[in-house]
Amino acid sequence: DSGVTQTPKHLITATGQRVTLRCSPRSGDLSVYWYQQSLDQGLQFLIQYYNGEERAKGNILERFSAQQFPDLHSELNLSSLELGDSALYFCASSPRIAGPSTSTDTQYFGPGTRLTVL
Amino acid sequence: SQKIEQNSEALNIQEGKTATLTCNYTNYSPAYLQWYRQDPGRGPVFLLLIRENEKEKRKERLKVTFDTTLKQSLFHITASQPADSATYLCALPETDKLIFGTGTRLQVFP
Repeated sequence: DSGVTQTPKHLITATGQRVTLRCSPRSGDLSVYWYQQSLDQGLQFLIQYYNGEERAKGNILERFSAQQFPDLHSELNLSSLELGDSALYFCASSPRIAGPSTSTDTQYFGPGTRLTVL
Repeated sequence: SQKIEQNSEALNIQEGKTATLTCNYTNYSPAYLQWYRQDPGRGPVFLLLIRENEKEKRKERLKVTFDTTLKQSLFHITASQPADSATYLCALPETDKLIFGTGTRLQVFP
């Protein structure tokens, strides 16, 4: 158990709908990262928050948004869902910020939310 | 931006043998590189970190090397067991994030 929790575990919805995925980081971790992993695809970095502020963005679609709240939990909002959005969505946390010279913190991953868009 | 290349073909080896997985990167050498294990449908789990000034790192049956000249890291599992079957990902830092390779699937058969 990594200490990172994600809800819900599974989500089935229809195209055009909007969903919210929730993540609670490990106690004390200030950074939260969101990743998308489609079938047979690698982990695609979406977005990172550090202590409530957005710090890095990856290939995140405009239909997707996220935020980190004062209690450090984070939510990923996916709207106008398409079939291609079906994937595993992982949240990870670390104490600080991953970076070339700042920190060597490992990332602790949650169990993921499996999203199926029908 | 940095690109990571891992062999997309599965590696099948017999129990007891040493598995060697490769991670190549294309641009600047990172300050460190990490290896993770991922089981189907589950989140990756951190295994080892190696810094740019370290040639080799060991943890139990695991060994990682880092060659900044070749822009390559090798991940070895000695005396492999069926329980080692999983996908192994390498990751390295870029600005404020980690980028991950697509991983190599390892299958250890009895």
